[in-house]
Amino acid sequence: GIQVEQSPPDLILQEGANSTLRCNFSDSVNNLQWFHQNPWGQLINLFYIPSGTKQNGRLSATTVATERYSLLYISSSQTTDSGVYFCAVVDLNAGGTSYGKLTFGQGTILTVHP
Amino acid sequence: KAGVTQTPRYLIKTRGQQVTLSCSPISGHRSVSWYQQTPGQGLQFLFEYFSETQRNKGNFPGRFSGRQFSNSRSEMNVSTLELGDSALYLCASSLDLRRGAYNEQFFGPGTRLTVL
Repeated sequence: GIQVEQSPPDLILQEGANSTLRCNFSDSVNNLQWFHQNPWGQLINLFYIPSGTKQNGRLSATTVATERYSLLYISSSQTTDSGVYFCAVVDLNAGGTSYGKLTFGQGTILTVHP
Repeated sequence: KAGVTQTPRYLIKTRGQQVTLSCSPISGHRSVSWYQQTPGQGLQFLFEYFSETQRNKGNFPGRFSGRQFSNSRSEMNVSTLELGDSALYLCASSLDLRRGAYNEQFFGPGTRLTVL
């Protein structure tokens, strides 16, 4: 099946710093989502971005599907940005076994200090 | 529009018991997927339901089952609980407007299951 790798696994920042999180995937995808998991466990949707670039406030994301990677940019980080960031994809070539199935990376643990 | 809701939020069970978790999708969403999250294995896909039919299943034993009702609400059941079933169980819903097409998934707050 498709493999999803995220880097770095851990990231520690001072408030106000910028960061870039990376997601590599091993095969063609027809969807890619970025999530932020809050301390209570809920996955918060950040971006639905199978290709191209999107921006939402201090966050932006770029997916280059032909090169099989996506980047999440966080600018002017705040302590509330702390948590785990996940990238998840749907395998384009999995046929029926892709129905409703997101394959997740292992996540990047972001800690922002005041 | 209300988000995905899951009940109960927390459960404590003992080995050998069974448990049923419930998920109500966003209004209008017809696809419901379930995931298990553990520290060791991360987030893993359990199964997906659409129009009361299981369309896809992950690599979990038969003790894990589910169903979907005509109003798209879904339940998952775990029988003969084992210690390793302790996890956060998340459900997600999506529109799935076209059969087989993929749409953005939205997650509920999860049910944290502890097996003693």
